[in-house]
Amino acid sequence: SAVISQKPSRDICQRGTSLTIQCQVDSQVTMMFWYRQQPGQSLTLIATANQGSEATYESGFVIDKFPISRPNLTFSTLTVSNMSPEDSSIYLCSVSPSGSFYEQFFGPGTRLTVL
Amino acid sequence: ILNVEQSPQSLHVQEGDSTNFTCSFPSSNFYALHWYRWETAKSPEALFVMTLNGDEKKKGRISATLNTKEGYSYLYIKGSQPEDSATYLCAFIVSGGSNYKLTFGKGTLLTVNP
Repeated sequence: SAVISQKPSRDICQRGTSLTIQCQVDSQVTMMFWYRQQPGQSLTLIATANQGSEATYESGFVIDKFPISRPNLTFSTLTVSNMSPEDSSIYLCSVSPSGSFYEQFFGPGTRLTVL
Repeated sequence: ILNVEQSPQSLHVQEGDSTNFTCSFPSSNFYALHWYRWETAKSPEALFVMTLNGDEKKKGRISATLNTKEGYSYLYIKGSQPEDSATYLCAFIVSGGSNYKLTFGKGTLLTVNP
């Protein structure tokens, strides 16, 4: 397994500002992902964070709104840009240490409220 | 668009009761199904990964079955305890696509009253 930490654990932000969420893993992992869960909705994949190259975004998510960095095999950041109340969600980082679908572990999440 | 449906949406049981809930998914192009247990403010915890029709897996008092032909999985909890209170999520992986992409249901929120 992998131990994943996220910062911050929660935040309250003003409309129009940006927030960067950090994800740190205790070991090198092949794949890292970012998900969000809006209130009453399913966990939804935002993007795959690729080490050393641009992230791969899912339909409905764009780089300008959710820029992602992954400078190495243990760390990634997700920025939520120009926030609106609709961005209020739980944002989770997940990893697949070996790249196998059998193993996907999640961080504790960042609970974001946008006023 | 893949739809993964979970029912019921929420459930209240008494300590000691046994309970079960359902995850429905598209039966075509099935690759794998994950079950997770998610307590508030904690990381979702992987319970089971199921791939074969007829699979049955068990972890302590929790077990799960899989029917890929009709597109459903059941999660059972025997003798529920207050510490079982959590949201139980299922997630589906479709074949022919990225084999790591999980499509989640909305979850079943279980509350076990002492």
